[in-house]
Amino acid sequence: SQKIEQNSEALNIQEGKTATLTCNYTNYSPAYLQWYRQDPGRGPVFLLLIRENEKEKRKERLKVTFDTTLKQSLFHITASQPADSATYLCALGIGPQMIKAAGNKLTFGGGTRVLVKP
Amino acid sequence: NAGVTQTPKFQVLKTGQSMTLQCAQDMNHNSMYWYRQDPGMGLRLIYYSASEGTTDKGEVPNGYNVSRLNKREFSLRLESAAPSQTSVYFCASSGLAAEQGNTQYFGPGTRLTVL
Repeated sequence: SQKIEQNSEALNIQEGKTATLTCNYTNYSPAYLQWYRQDPGRGPVFLLLIRENEKEKRKERLKVTFDTTLKQSLFHITASQPADSATYLCALGIGPQMIKAAGNKLTFGGGTRVLVKP
Repeated sequence: NAGVTQTPKFQVLKTGQSMTLQCAQDMNHNSMYWYRQDPGMGLRLIYYSASEGTTDKGEVPNGYNVSRLNKREFSLRLESAAPSQTSVYFCASSGLAAEQGNTQYFGPGTRLTVL
């Protein structure tokens, strides 16, 4: 069966350090992968998208890698700040050639909570 | 531009009661989605509407019905609520095609408790 796994244990990190989160998937061939941020009591907010033919994407202090051979994405927050404390979700999307069969949907992982301590 | 709005924010039901969760978006998006989020389970898709006039089942559709009232509005109905439907419900919308990444915009959620 298809599975998307994120570390369910919270990641505690000191301010200024780099936080690294993993997203592993099985029985999936995603065309792209997205990362979202979710704060307590709020809906997820889109952060970054990376396509299957891209190895790395950056946005300010965020970096995402995508290894389709390992079936894994890594999400890095460099120079972390207490304001980065939140839950981070990965989501997989299928390509347009599969839309008719499976619909234009995302499948989300369970999320990893990050706590940055000052 | 309010984005995605959901009503109500909180609701407590008794087993067997019915209710409708409302969702509206003002971004002229074609696609809309309903998810539920439970501790340790992540977001699970209940139903979605790829475009006005169409709806399809997601991963966990049992016990729910939906209506895409128009391009802006997508409602979720619980006909006979059960304690297993206690959850946080999120509505989302997307205006991008899959090949553009299908970025989804989420509402603030409805916290539902079924006693």
